[in-house]
Amino acid sequence: DGGITQSPKYLFRKEGQNVTLSCEQNLNHDAMYWYRQDPGQGLRLIYYSQIVNDFQKGDIAEGYSVSREKKESFPLTVTSAQKNPTAFYLCASSILLAEGGNEQFFGPGTRLTVL
Amino acid sequence: SQKIEQNSEALNIQEGKTATLTCNYTNYSPAYLQWYRQDPGRGPVFLLLIRENEKEKRKERLKVTFDTTLKQSLFHITASQPADSATYLCARTSGQAGTALIFGKGTTLSVSS
Repeated sequence: DGGITQSPKYLFRKEGQNVTLSCEQNLNHDAMYWYRQDPGQGLRLIYYSQIVNDFQKGDIAEGYSVSREKKESFPLTVTSAQKNPTAFYLCASSILLAEGGNEQFFGPGTRLTVL
Repeated sequence: SQKIEQNSEALNIQEGKTATLTCNYTNYSPAYLQWYRQDPGRGPVFLLLIRENEKEKRKERLKVTFDTTLKQSLFHITASQPADSATYLCARTSGQAGTALIFGKGTTLSVSS
């Protein structure tokens, strides 16, 4: 059963702590993405990766870090430098089309709350 | 900046009517526009993609148009049902491989029976 999974579904963090959100896909997609969604807001891009061992910053990368050591996995670390981390985090993946226009497949999301 | 705007935050219609959602873009002509459905607490699900050289695309009760003169895409759901109630997101992307999407804030559609 192919798909993209995120864990945990809910995550609570104390201020000053780093936390890592997991994202795994078995769709054999080259590209993976992390978005953040706040209430009443659209999705905003944090980081994306088109190939293993390479990734690019999105619009709101400050306070976040990622790694892409395996094609299937793209974990996101929310560091203590992120001033307002409470949000709904979505991971997505897609194939790479030379002409672009790739639809994205999203995971179920992780809701992070800072206590 | 390459903005994408969805004019209405909420749209309420009666069952059986056609829902029409609007997506406008500025400053940059996207090669593609995509529409996603998002249910509360869940990830978005892809619905339709339309290319800049296409006027219209259909899928079952869904229809999307792309007007490069007006810089606008319209998303229609015909014969709407309460199960169509959700937030619908418009997203743009360039013609380059693997580039990320830029999303609008979404329009929340409520279909009453």
